[in-house]
Amino acid sequence: GAVVSQHPSWVICKSGTSVKIECRSLDFQATTMFWYRQFPKQSLMLMATSNEGSKATYEQGVEKDKFLINHASLTLSTLTVTSAHPEDSSFYICSADTDSNQPQHFGDGTRLSIL
Amino acid sequence: GENVEQHPSTLSVQEGDSAVIKCTYSDSASNYFPWYKQELGKRPQLIIDIRSNVGEKKDQRIAVTLNKTAKHFSLHITETQPEDSAVYFCAASFGNQFYFGTGTSLTVIP
Repeated sequence: GAVVSQHPSWVICKSGTSVKIECRSLDFQATTMFWYRQFPKQSLMLMATSNEGSKATYEQGVEKDKFLINHASLTLSTLTVTSAHPEDSSFYICSADTDSNQPQHFGDGTRLSIL
Repeated sequence: GENVEQHPSTLSVQEGDSAVIKCTYSDSASNYFPWYKQELGKRPQLIIDIRSNVGEKKDQRIAVTLNKTAKHFSLHITETQPEDSAVYFCAASFGNQFYFGTGTSLTVIP
């Protein structure tokens, strides 16, 4: 149980393109989902907390107009990287939990490469 | 906010030896401490967790200890195997806010 699906797994696109990443909880409802960014050999950096039906909460230093988050249902959150540039290339990973103080369940991650 | 520190950043052990990874946290309100294993390019996988009302938890070759007073917790892997090679992350949590350590790259040498 508690499976989180993330799509796509790998994206290569030109600079200036906007890219949408989907995160779905397959067998549970997730009021809250989390978006992380991970650079090679580094830790998971929380970008934002996605709340169903309300605005996302962004961490300090994360541009909300650059990284648009939509959490329209209890099973789907999307992250859109707008006008992506090479410095946005990274591994983006989402997670969700079934309740407070429960483990986070991670998606498979999306490797984004901007040329 | 919470600050989680993790040591060492890299660790190499001979197959069969034990590996220990340590984390400290700053916020005494944190009450849930999971450990994740991440293989290259894959999702972090929960391997063991401990709550603040417990001092130690064991699952086969993996154990976690928690010292609430000192605000530190440790992961212990015994009889290491090559497939244990991965990056391990600790985390401290209160409610649904998770704060991750910087990771430890463990290499088990056959």
